[in-house]
Amino acid sequence: EIVMTQSPATLSVSPGEWATLSCRASQNINSNLAWYQQKPGLSPRLLIYAATTRATGIPARFSGSGSGTEFALTISSLQSEDFAVYFCQQYNNWPRAFGQGTKVEIK
Amino acid sequence: QMQLLQSGPEVKKPGTSVKVSCKASGFTFATSAVQWVRQTRGQGLEWIGWIAVGRGNTNYAQKFQERVTITRDMFTTTAYMELSSLMSDDTAVYYCAAGSDAAVQWGQGTLVTVSS
Repeated sequence: EIVMTQSPATLSVSPGEWATLSCRASQNINSNLAWYQQKPGLSPRLLIYAATTRATGIPARFSGSGSGTEFALTISSLQSEDFAVYFCQQYNNWPRAFGQGTKVEIK
Repeated sequence: QMQLLQSGPEVKKPGTSVKVSCKASGFTFATSAVQWVRQTRGQGLEWIGWIAVGRGNTNYAQKFQERVTITRDMFTTTAYMELSSLMSDDTAVYYCAAGSDAAVQWGQGTLVTVSS
């Protein structure tokens, strides 16, 4: 089974600053990676798929990068609505494992 | 627009089963796939399994292999997840999510509480 490891567990950022979240796969997953955002009490929302492609309606300040085993989600100029938990998920192999999440909190 | 509407909260006793439904609308259900994911209180996302709606083939996480069954009804565009031999550790919010690869649309979640 592929293990997805996200870092850091918590990221403290001031509004208007950049944030970079990391996701590492235990083996090659090509570009078969998605990023999701989850706010308290709500369902997750797809942000990025195929490692770099923004989902419909996702603002351009969200960008994804990477391939193989190393991936990143960058949020430029954090807005108040961006403070949330972010999960990565690989869909290259079964089972479709998630990372444990990174919480982006207000500094 | 794409929408997934899940069934309501459930309270179950240990050892029993629960069946959660997920009604799809706003997209072509027959050519999609549905995955099921759960989240325990304040924790991360745990992948349970997946069904390709058209062919009906499934894939389950090994942890749930013996206890979970995912099915679909093409006529009512509804997917189902049944989990048996419930334990207190199965208390969680269960989500369905549609998309052949990445989960493009999520249901609102169904809280399943297992308590004696």
